[in-house]
Amino acid sequence: GAGVSQTPSNKVTEKGKYVELRCDPISGHTALYWYRQSLGQGPEFLIYFQGTGAADDSGLPNDRFFAVRPEGSVSTLKIQRTERGDSAVYLCASSANPTDTQYFGPGTRLTVL
Amino acid sequence: QKEVEQNSGPLSVPEGAIASLNCTYSDRGSQSFFWYRQYSGKSPELIMFIYSNGDKEDGRFTAQLNKASQYVSLLIRDSQPSDSATYLCAVNDIDTDKLIFGTGTRLQVFP
Repeated sequence: GAGVSQTPSNKVTEKGKYVELRCDPISGHTALYWYRQSLGQGPEFLIYFQGTGAADDSGLPNDRFFAVRPEGSVSTLKIQRTERGDSAVYLCASSANPTDTQYFGPGTRLTVL
Repeated sequence: QKEVEQNSGPLSVPEGAIASLNCTYSDRGSQSFFWYRQYSGKSPELIMFIYSNGDKEDGRFTAQLNKASQYVSLLIRDSQPSDSATYLCAVNDIDTDKLIFGTGTRLQVFP
């Protein structure tokens, strides 16, 4: 079936604005992960869902970041009052089970001006 | 803090040579190890995973794991220019089910 998809592929916004990033995991995958990747760095964990619930949100940098997965499939990462330091590629990954291989989507490149 | 360490490179090898990419990790309890390839501007793509000590081969790729030394490596035989990318080592944190990534090693294969 189809892989992980993410929209938009690119998002340019102004400082202080609100953005939503969407992830559509591989069908049937129960685990969904959000990562953030800055230039020259490896992906940095943000939050992990098992089904509808956030099993671990310890990687969210502050309370401006929030994510939901209301029906256990599509997830939305929400960033309020964006700051220039939020600029990065936001990657979503899914796996059949939490300990299984994670497959990544193409990412959303967020630029905060 | 659990860490995964990789040399950032670049590692430059001629076409046809063996490229050896190395990774060390701090959590002695880790059980699952992954190598991802990431082309510039693209997302990580799984190359191999390994769970047991020893070697695991898949085509031109061989993953090697030594849990006693907390060391995992990826060998690429007959390197091709199309192998030029950043290779990310990732280790599963058994306490949290999270993947911890290294910063990646940039490989350059020149003709």
